[in-house]
Amino acid sequence: DAGITQSPRYKITETGRQVTLMCHQTWSHSYMFWYRQDLGHGLRLIYYSAAADITDKGEVPDGYVVSRSKTENFPLTLESATRSQTSVYFCASSDSPGTYEQYFGPGTRLTVT
Amino acid sequence: TQLLEQSPQFLSIQEGENLTVYCNSSSVFSSLQWYRQEPGEGPVLLVTVVTGGEVKKLKRLTFQFGDARKDSSLHITAAQPGDTGLYLCAGDGQAGTALIFGKGTTLSVSS
Repeated sequence: DAGITQSPRYKITETGRQVTLMCHQTWSHSYMFWYRQDLGHGLRLIYYSAAADITDKGEVPDGYVVSRSKTENFPLTLESATRSQTSVYFCASSDSPGTYEQYFGPGTRLTVT
Repeated sequence: TQLLEQSPQFLSIQEGENLTVYCNSSSVFSSLQWYRQEPGEGPVLLVTVVTGGEVKKLKRLTFQFGDARKDSSLHITAAQPGDTGLYLCAGDGQAGTALIFGKGTTLSVSS
């Protein structure tokens, strides 16, 4: 299906485990983004990518790793999950980082126990 | 640091009422966007405003960009239950980086 998809939609993991959240888009958009959404904080940017093999930190990058070997995929890895990383994670893509519309995926609800 | 402050944080109204949501900043933005997010889904773009003083209408929703491009408002006329959701404003970050989002206004419209 066309669009932007995220998997899994729900994930429960234990403290200290590594977990990878997947994001796939079919529009060939250059830019992709990872946000976390928490009550009281809104959407906060974790990492973004301007193209394959080009990534940069956002507002809250600590504890996260990203890669982008292909334009369409932008996985987010929590190397050693902590309870503070319990959140809803959204992936987004765009033709441009600023003015152009960002298209969001449906989100992944991650719980770290 | 660029910040976008939205008010009110929560709004609960009856069907048919009018409401206004505000998005303010001390920084100038070249454009502002408004998104709506429904429970369990990602945000969806409603409108982008790029010119100071610009007014855009989307059915019962009216969006305005302040003359100084530091603030924006969203006015909903005759709200309906289908308008329920989280409304987010977002501005373009410095140096062309990713969008900066406000914390959002949660709107609940009851019939």
